[in-house]
Amino acid sequence: GAVVSQHPSWVICKSGTSVKIECRSLDFQATTMFWYRQFPKQSLMLMATSNEGSKATYEQGVEKDKFLINHASLTLSTLTVTSAHPEDSSFYICSARKTGTVAKNIQYFGAGTRLSVL
Amino acid sequence: AQTVTQSQPEMSVQEAETVTLSCTYDTSESDYYLFWYKQPPSRQMILVIRQEAYKQQNATENRFSVNFQKAAKSFSLKISDSQLGDAAMYFCAYTGTYKYIFGTGTRLKVLA
Repeated sequence: GAVVSQHPSWVICKSGTSVKIECRSLDFQATTMFWYRQFPKQSLMLMATSNEGSKATYEQGVEKDKFLINHASLTLSTLTVTSAHPEDSSFYICSARKTGTVAKNIQYFGAGTRLSVL
Repeated sequence: AQTVTQSQPEMSVQEAETVTLSCTYDTSESDYYLFWYKQPPSRQMILVIRQEAYKQQNATENRFSVNFQKAAKSFSLKISDSQLGDAAMYFCAYTGTYKYIFGTGTRLKVLA
């Protein structure tokens, strides 16, 4: 199997607070994890690539100081939305790639986190 | 730069019938992978099928099959014997090195 757990599934917070989202690969090791943002009725937009033990690589236009990514182990990556504002409200999805396998190009996705900033 | 295009924002199919979703892509890479993912209302992304570019044989997974035309850079998904549970957004995705590039998606409605 290849299960990716994402927590929480839904979070509501006040403007100005920070929110942390966790992404765990439950039954495999993942050197690389990805964070996406999805607006209603739109496709997934890659925000950043998270590599275990090193700094994340952010896509153009994504504020790295706003969206802090930490990949401290081979099974866990976290996304922290700092000083969240209503415009940060969205659906955030993580994915993970298995390490060292033939199927290394397959990404396995978490169930997503709905963030609502009041 | 690589691009993925899904030209059908929405498709409908009668239950038990067959439907084909279109996807075209553009790349200068010779080694790459193509995928179809399903996103039901729960929004969990589910891998439906994948195709390695170096393989000429079209991939199949039960009721799902692809028509991979490498020269035309086309990668369509055929769903046979459509079921109500097939109703979802379907995304075509490309990867060469490590990043996925997604199409804009096709919403599939299955009519009872």
